[in-house]
Amino acid sequence: DGGITQSPKYLFRKEGQNVTLSCEQNLNHDAMYWYRQDPGQGLRLIYYSQIVNDFQKGDIAEGYSVSREKKESFPLTVTSAQKNPTAFYLCASSSSTSLWSYEQYFGPGTRLTVT
Amino acid sequence: AQSVTQLDSQVPVFEEAPVELRCNYSSSVSVYLFWYVQYPNQGLQLLLKYLSGSTLVESINGFEAEFNKSQTSFHLRKPSVHISDTAEYFCAVGKTGANNLFFGTGTRLTVIP
Repeated sequence: DGGITQSPKYLFRKEGQNVTLSCEQNLNHDAMYWYRQDPGQGLRLIYYSQIVNDFQKGDIAEGYSVSREKKESFPLTVTSAQKNPTAFYLCASSSSTSLWSYEQYFGPGTRLTVT
Repeated sequence: AQSVTQLDSQVPVFEEAPVELRCNYSSSVSVYLFWYVQYPNQGLQLLLKYLSGSTLVESINGFEAEFNKSQTSFHLRKPSVHISDTAEYFCAVGKTGANNLFFGTGTRLTVIP
């Protein structure tokens, strides 16, 4: 089955540690996205990548980093510089073909708790 | 400036009653509109979309939404809700020239037995 996988589903870290969230897709999509979701704030874009080896900052990129070495993979690192890292993180992907590039497919999410 | 506004953060409704979840957007260019549904601790699932053509779009589970360009709205409706419709619903807008979707803050629909 085609889809997006995120692992792990729940992640716990101590303050001051970097942590990397995994996102893999087998939909052959060119574009991938990372969102952060907090209660009452909807989804906020952290980073996105339209093509391998290229990525762009979203609205709240500070304290996060990404890489896009393979088409299928777009890992997100939450660094110790991120002041409020506890949140639900969602990865998404979309194709690059015209109108269909606007339709995004989402993974199941990773809930990160930092104490 | 807010691109997408979902006016109601919470909507309680009795089972089998009708419901409307409101979504308004701001844009001076062509838009593409989406409704996503999120069940607790899960990712977002596409419910329905407007890309072009008929302004009334429907989902397989009885929801519908109508693109109203003059009102800049894309309200989601269902004539009779079920308990299983309890979830959070997000409206999203794609704009010509932009590389990503803009999401509203979500509406939590609670269906009361």
